[in-house]
This record gives sequence, C-alpha cells and structure tokens, in this order.
Amino acid sequence: DGGITQSPKYLFRKEGQNVTLSCEQNLNHDAMYWYRQDPGQGLRLIYYSQIVNDFQKGDIAEGYSVSREKKESFPLTVTSAQKNPTAFYLCASSPKRGDPQYFGAGTRLSVL
Amino acid sequence: RKEVEQDPGPFNVPEGATVAFNCTYSNSASQSFFWYRQDCRKEPKLLMSVYSSGNEDGRFTAQLNRASQYISLLIRDSKLSDSATYLCGNAGAGGYNKLIFGAGTRLAVHP
Repeated sequence: DGGITQSPKYLFRKEGQNVTLSCEQNLNHDAMYWYRQDPGQGLRLIYYSQIVNDFQKGDIAEGYSVSREKKESFPLTVTSAQKNPTAFYLCASSPKRGDPQYFGAGTRLSVL
Repeated sequence: RKEVEQDPGPFNVPEGATVAFNCTYSNSASQSFFWYRQDCRKEPKLLMSVYSSGNEDGRFTAQLNRASQYISLLIRDSKLSDSATYLCGNAGAGGYNKLIFGAGTRLAVHP
C-alpha cells in the first residue's frame, strides 16, 4: 500500500530528553512537511523540505530539528529546548507545488 | 487578521439537512484551495480540491469566490457519518507548496 507512515503512534518524553518522530513515504513525493496541532487549533508548520538534503523552517521551528537524507524519510527531532512539546504531530507530503498534501496518521507526544 | 479564518462552530444539524461552511483567506495571491475532513484524534484527509469553476463530488460542493476571498463547502443530505471537523487550506504563489490551514469548523449531525 502506498502512503505515509508515522511512528510511533504515542510517545512520551522525559524532561531534558530529545525524541525523534519517524515519517516515511512511498508515494515518490518530492515535498514533505511537519505540522503540530494543539487541541482545538489548526495546523502549524514546523519544517518543510522540497528536495533531498534541503529543508526550511516553518512558523514554529524553535526547539525542533529535521533531516532529509533520503527522499522517503523526513524525521523530526523534538529537542529539550522545546518547552511545551505536548501535541499531535502530523507529517505530510505532496507531489509538487499546487498539489494537495497527504497526511500520515500522526504521533501523539506527551511529557512525563 | 489570520491568514485563513473559519467559524469554529459547532454546526449542529439534523440528518438530511443541507449545511454550508465558509473559509476566508487574506492572501489574494493564493493559487490552490482545499477542503480536508478531520475526525476526532485522527489525521486530516483530503475531501476535495477547490477549482475556480467549482467542484462537486456527490453530496459535497465546493466553490471559490476570488473577489470576496473565500471558499465554501456545501454538504447536502447530511449523514451522521459527516460529523467531523472540516479544515480549509490554501497555498500561496510562493516557491513551495506551503498550505495555510484554518482552525476548522466542527459539524455535528444528529438523528
């Protein structure tokens, strides 16, 4: 099946810990994105990547880091600098500019 | 003013009703428009793209009004299964496909 796979589904972070969220797609899409969604709010863009080895900050990049070493993969690291990490994290991809984005099932991150 | 604004609702409607949502956007250079459906604690799923000529898919009709800078979604003959949050998104004319999403409109269809 083609699609976007995010793992894990649930993740718990301890104080001072970095955690990495996985996002893999087999749709052969060039662009990939990370969003954060807080309860009752819309999606806020964290980082995006248009091609391998290139990525750009979105609106709320502080406390997060990404890499794009392979076209299929766009992992997100939530660093200890992110003081309020509890949220629903969504990864998306799109074929090209102007196309809609398709989302993975998301990862729920909570702080212990 | 937010780039994309939606009435949060909830819109409470009986089965069989017709309901419409609007979504206003501030970037007049926006090129692409979409409606997504998001169920509770799930990811958004693409419902339909919105073209200049409008778009219809079964009970769902989307329209674009560039002059007034809004898109609309009309749902006819509402079903219980239509209960969800509907997000609108639009992409600007920049060098990448950055979608700006509204916060969503919640629809609750009751028997």
